Amino acid sequence: NAGVMQNPRHLVRRRGQEARLRCSPMKGHSHVYWYRQLPEEGLKFMVYLQKENIIDESGMPKERFSAEFPKEGPSILRIQQVVRGDSAAYFCASSPPKGGAYNEQFFGPGTRLTVL
Amino acid sequence: RKEVEQDPGPFNVPEGATVAFNCTYSNSASQSFFWCRQDCRKEPKLLMSVYSSGNEDGRFTAQLNRASQYISLLIRDSKLSDSATYLCVVHRGSQGNLIFGKGTKLSVKP
Repeated sequence: NAGVMQNPRHLVRRRGQEARLRCSPMKGHSHVYWYRQLPEEGLKFMVYLQKENIIDESGMPKERFSAEFPKEGPSILRIQQVVRGDSAAYFCASSPPKGGAYNEQFFGPGTRLTVL
Repeated sequence: RKEVEQDPGPFNVPEGATVAFNCTYSNSASQSFFWCRQDCRKEPKLLMSVYSSGNEDGRFTAQLNRASQYISLLIRDSKLSDSATYLCVVHRGSQGNLIFGKGTKLSVKP
């Protein structure tokens, strides 16, 4: 069973370009979370999605950032008109659908975005 | 005040030393607590869950004090391979996001 997959692992963009980050959850997982880690900072929650639904986007910047998790295919985190401050590691995590006690989130290897 | 606070360190210790990390959280509704380990430029990995009764896994002991909203991690007989950043993590419910502390950096020297 493959783990959480993210691609690309490294992404370089110039200011003003768009960045698309992909996350394929573990098999059987229907919950996806995106976190951002700025240099020398802790991970910060951005958005929580289930298939075709955004459950919680309270950590998403109000502009330029969007996320989706379509019925088929990976979850996408999209950053429009990137700025240097968007340079960070973006981690995706997935968890299984069952409720009850805490469902462990499994993290992908991250995408390191560098904005020139 | 940050929701999860940790001493950033760094903690520089010799091999074999015992080292303790502390963490405080501000939201009393928090339900689950963890320590994760993050190696340089890699994803966080779950080290252990933390319970009020305390739990031990080999050289690692974790403790939760709900009244004080305080979490601790003790590492005994430190190894070089323990060098990493240790993240205190809090979770409020069965689903939903994790809240991470900024991490405490540990460097174990020979």
